[in-house]
Amino acid sequence: AQSVTQLDSHVSVSEGTPVLLRCNYSSSYSPSLFWYVQHPNKGLQLLLKYTSAATLVKGINGFEAEFKKSETSFHLTKPSAHMSDAAEYFCVVSDPYNQGGKLIFGQGTELSVKP
Amino acid sequence: GAVVSQHPSRVICKSGTSVKIECRSLDFQATTMFWYRQFPKQSLMLMATSNEGSKATYEQGVEKDKFLINHASLTLSTLTVTSAHPEDSSFYICSARILAGGWQETQYFGPGTRLLVL
Repeated sequence: AQSVTQLDSHVSVSEGTPVLLRCNYSSSYSPSLFWYVQHPNKGLQLLLKYTSAATLVKGINGFEAEFKKSETSFHLTKPSAHMSDAAEYFCVVSDPYNQGGKLIFGQGTELSVKP
Repeated sequence: GAVVSQHPSRVICKSGTSVKIECRSLDFQATTMFWYRQFPKQSLMLMATSNEGSKATYEQGVEKDKFLINHASLTLSTLTVTSAHPEDSSFYICSARILAGGWQETQYFGPGTRLLVL
């Protein structure tokens, strides 16, 4: 069965400092992995996705994530946080050969950015 | 591209009434749409998978007679909350799936609908 674990429920950084949001997954096959961002009372916006191509994936707004199969991780990073990055972030796994490609969501990490 | 809209964005209704929420893919066709429910400070919970031209597939524990889903066209799916009660108050989010390169897929999400049942 697939699962996703976001290791931190809340991360706080200062503006201009690096961001690291951690995610570990469990999947029986080569999964698709996604990071979505949700601002308050809004829907989810796709930041980036991994689908078995390059292991280092670049997304929007300066975010990137690295797929590490040996560590079953897909951590999200950004070199320099901006105030507008404050939001909820979800790590998501999808296995097209299992459960019809349904998305399995992590519990979310709330990112706070201090001035 | 890949824009999904929802209407209404916010609705308040009386207990016992029915509420319909629309989900539209604006610039692509979606054979499959998904309906999620999100409680405050929690992750998304998949309620059902909506397939164009066929019956929706509901997740375990979701009452299909209470949450009616219709996917009549490739760009529109509707969720009707029947006989709504205060415990149905929640944030409902839909998504539409784009298939690309065979099995590779991405879901694009709507902005959500806040339902408050009084």
